[in-house]
Amino acid sequence: DGGITQSPKYLFRKEGQNVTLSCEQNLNHDAMYWYRQDPGQGLRLIYYSQIVNDFQKGDIAEGYSVSREKKESFPLTVTSAQKNPTAFYLCASSLLGGTYEQYFGPGTRLTVT
Amino acid sequence: SQQGEEDPQALSIQEGENATMNCSYKTSINNLQWYRQNSGRGLVHLILIRSNEREKHSGRLRVTLDTSKKSSSLLITASRAADTASYFCATKQCKETSGSRLTFGEGTQLTVNP
Repeated sequence: DGGITQSPKYLFRKEGQNVTLSCEQNLNHDAMYWYRQDPGQGLRLIYYSQIVNDFQKGDIAEGYSVSREKKESFPLTVTSAQKNPTAFYLCASSLLGGTYEQYFGPGTRLTVT
Repeated sequence: SQQGEEDPQALSIQEGENATMNCSYKTSINNLQWYRQNSGRGLVHLILIRSNEREKHSGRLRVTLDTSKKSSSLLITASRAADTASYFCATKQCKETSGSRLTFGEGTQLTVNP
């Protein structure tokens, strides 16, 4: 998990509330990613960013929003519009181009009741 | 079916045995990567194999890639209890519009019994 941090590790929210998950990296990577993982499943891409002030939707962007104001930071907001927000959220970063490995943070487990 | 499907979904072996996991994909790729995830943790990169490579080794890991069959295998030799984890393949598609993104499979849950 070195070089990329996510906070908090566990997060509990009431239904109808927006919540923001933090992701910071000190690897000087241009690209950053947010994934969602449900129990026993693979990773699904929510959003990714390849440069500051720009980001692209992944496969399941509905109900989520992101910003990339700094190279080091890529926060994810889970809005009240997300129907099933309870999941494990993983942030990753990499050099540009897709020919490099992605470095993952430790994840944030979000529970919405 | 998704790009990047692992087979089997779950594998249980005894310590010292070899473990083989397979990954199939659908579109042309630039490279294929394998990652490991311990329960409740982030993923850790294991190995990357480019589309023009057929085999790669790293310690007890051996990865093969067959682009004609659109498949890859990950072999872990002389397994240890500490190898117990989920293993995911991820592909970088050749599409120009895919940018830096990878597409992950559903994973194989490996259990190595002491």
